[in-house]
Amino acid sequence: DAKTTQPTSMDCAEGRAANLPCNHSTISGNEYVYWYRQIHSQGPQYIIHGLKNNETNEMASLIITEDRKSSTLILPHATLRDTAVYYCIVRFGSGTYKYIFGTGTRLKVLA
Amino acid sequence: GAVVSQHPSWVICKSGTSVKIECRSLDFQATTMFWYRQFPKQSLMLMATSNEGSKATYEQGVEKDKFLINHASLTLSTLTVTSAHPEDSSFYICSAADPDAAFFGQGTRLTVV
Repeated sequence: DAKTTQPTSMDCAEGRAANLPCNHSTISGNEYVYWYRQIHSQGPQYIIHGLKNNETNEMASLIITEDRKSSTLILPHATLRDTAVYYCIVRFGSGTYKYIFGTGTRLKVLA
Repeated sequence: GAVVSQHPSWVICKSGTSVKIECRSLDFQATTMFWYRQFPKQSLMLMATSNEGSKATYEQGVEKDKFLINHASLTLSTLTVTSAHPEDSSFYICSAADPDAAFFGQGTRLTVV
């Protein structure tokens, strides 16, 4: 199962783009990258996922490098409500998948 | 988006009693559900994976006789903490997966006194 490495914490100014990096150098060819976030005392919220192409939805964009060894989650215009712990996960398995959480990045959006 | 409802949101129980937590996928059918626990300032730890109609698969170090999981339908899984002790106090979170992603409940804060 691929492990992920993320910075422990980051700050971002309100209204600016937040770029959260993730390393997953041991990812296998058929393993997807997922991003979730957890606001204090709540369950994680799904943000986005991808395999090898860049993805965008109403919440964020996901940029995956060509070698798939790292990715970046981009929140285009961060707000105070985006303050949370962001988890990058590599989903692994066959048939039944597992979602194993690492330590995540604590993003603080500053006014 | 997919909605997962977990009940109760919080519960306080006496040491030695059992507590049941429900997890429902409201707008999709989940062949796989997961149970996690989270201690303060720590990440989520996967406890077990359950497939509808099958026995749950527990992660290493998780006592299956203490944490009973039932996944009787495609929309409902339950976790029963049996003979709870203060060290079982934690934040328990369920997740239900469709083929594309896993979606999480709001969590249950269990306090054993």
